[in-house]
This record gives sequence, structure tokens and C-alpha cells, in this order.
Amino acid sequence: EVQLLESGGGLVQPGGSLRLSCAASGFAFSTYAMSWVRQAPGKGLEWVSGISGSGGSTYYADSVRGRFTISRDSSKNTMYVQMNNLRAEDTAVYYCAKSGVVGSKGKDYFDYWGQGTLVTVSS
Amino acid sequence: EIVLTQSPGTLSLSPGERATLSCRASQSVSNNYLVWYQQKPGQAPRLLIYGASSRATGIPDRFSGSGSGTDFTLTISRLEPEDFAVYYCQQYGSSLKTFGQGTKVEIK
Repeated sequence: EVQLLESGGGLVQPGGSLRLSCAASGFAFSTYAMSWVRQAPGKGLEWVSGISGSGGSTYYADSVRGRFTISRDSSKNTMYVQMNNLRAEDTAVYYCAKSGVVGSKGKDYFDYWGQGTLVTVSS
Repeated sequence: EIVLTQSPGTLSLSPGERATLSCRASQSVSNNYLVWYQQKPGQAPRLLIYGASSRATGIPDRFSGSGSGTDFTLTISRLEPEDFAVYYCQQYGSSLKTFGQGTKVEIK
């Protein structure tokens, strides 16, 4: 059974940093790209960042490029996102999502999602 | 960036009725790489349809997807009580993936 478990969310001040983790199990982690997708309170879904199965390719939405860094550790079956210079508009539930496409080269849809972790940016 | 516009914003229907949801793209979606998700309050999204028309594993056949190019449709043939939720489309024809703003299907 595929499981994705996010952690690391919390309250942070504007300009601060936070690192989210996504622990994966139940599938061949290195075979699939992974992404972070966020949802602001009461709003829709926004894709944030993605990383290829090997970790060699990374992708970012314009809204976070230069502030967020995605990575993965295949020895731990875990994906991360380092979020720096956080803004109020980054407040959201952050979901970890597994690509449904093998060898997607960034063109992914998501067949499994975690339950999300809430990030609140406020003073 | 491909902008996806979903309509209507809210659909008020009764159980047993047919629901038709639209997703229109600002430019053609490569290879019809479009999916539909269902999201219920407090839950993560659930994949329903990929490649515009293929049902994901375990999805009932009352859900169907159609369309190509810039116009896509999700149809729920007969609404069950558990189908009342928010539905999102997403395109993956580009590495810059985008979602529609969602259509809420509510009980009339």
C-alpha cells in the first residue's frame, strides 16, 4: 500500500524558513517523480515544485522559484522542500504527491497524495 | 503557463441526476494530458481520470472524462451521495503544471 506522510509544518514568521519532509513507502521510490502541491485555506490547488525520480531534475512554480528548494534522499525514501523567505501568501496545507507516470520528465499527474501538513506564515 | 478555467463554479443537483463539469484551457493541452480529481472537505485530492478519458484504479464507471485540445468534460452519470465534493482539473502537458479553480457539486 502506498503511503505518503508529510511532516515539518507549523507557524513561522514572515521572512523565516521551514523544511517539510515527506516519508514514502509501498512503492519503488526512486522510480517515480514527486511533487509538492499546496492549498491555501478555502482555496484551490497550486502545484509548487517537483523532482524527478533520480533527483537530477527539479521544477518550480514561478511563485516559489529562488525561495524554495526541493530534494530527495533515496536511502531514506524521503522528499524534502526547504522553504526560505516565507511570505504570508505561502500559508497553506502542503501536500506531498507521487507521480502517476514513470519517466515523466516533469509532465506529471498525481495518483497518490499525503494528508498534508499546515504551514502558517504570520507574525 | 496554461490557464484552466472550470465551469460552473457551483453545480446544485440531486442524487441520481447527471453532472457535467467543464474545464477549458487557454491553449491546447499537449497529448490531452489532463486529469480530474475529487476532493472532499478535510481530505487530500483523489485521482479520478487521467489522459482526459482513462479512469484511475478503483473509480466507478459512472465517472467519465472526454475532450481534447482546449475543451474537456467530466461527467458523472448518476450522482451518488458520496459524489458531492469539489472537482479539479489539472494539465500535465507542461512541466509547469496548473490546476483549474474547481467546481463544487452540492446537494440541491
